[in-house]
Amino acid sequence: QVQLVQSGAEVKKPGASVKVSCKASGYTFTRNYMHWVRQAPGQGPEWMGTVNPYGGSTSYAQKLQGRVTVTRDTSTSTVYMELSSLRSEDTAVYYCARLGTNDVFDVWGQGTMVTVSS
Amino acid sequence: EIVLTQSPGTLSLSPGERATLSCRAGQSVSNSYLAWYQQRPGQAPRLLIYGASSRATGIPDRFSGSGSGTDFTLTISRLEPEDFAVYYCQQYGSSPITFGQGTRLEI
Repeated sequence: QVQLVQSGAEVKKPGASVKVSCKASGYTFTRNYMHWVRQAPGQGPEWMGTVNPYGGSTSYAQKLQGRVTVTRDTSTSTVYMELSSLRSEDTAVYYCARLGTNDVFDVWGQGTMVTVSS
Repeated sequence: EIVLTQSPGTLSLSPGERATLSCRAGQSVSNSYLAWYQQRPGQAPRLLIYGASSRATGIPDRFSGSGSGTDFTLTISRLEPEDFAVYYCQQYGSSPITFGQGTRLEI
């Protein structure tokens, strides 16, 4: 079955960087864009960015431009999201989500909690 | 960016009742590219409705979506115990993709 499995929880200090992975299985990795969405405690989801696993092209939320980088490794069917210059407001659960045939997020990872605290 | 405003913030109902959730967009959502997701505590969001009114695979027919332009509605015809969760609308017709702040459906 189609599955997205993310890396484990992280605790980081302000100013540090974090890199979260998302390993896909059960489908042809290069056929579907992968997106990253985060959700701060008690808040609605926030779209962060996307990568085309076939060619590697990316697009990011303007708010996070310059701090977020999404990459992919086709040999392992894994997508990565790196966020730099972390601040307390970046504390959230980070999800990868596959863009399905109807242009919506049809499969989600289990989420990775990132806590930014001094 | 398109701001989505959901109402009410919290809806208190009982199993068997009908739930009506609203999502209003700050500008027209092109092609009715409006989706609804359900999120239970500690879980990732789950796709319910796309294209404003099409049910995703495996979603029971007690869930239905309607609307166009700036006003959209998710209706749950007869609430089951497992339906008590938080519901989010999302527009994907314009970049950036945006989500509403959610409606909590509680017993």
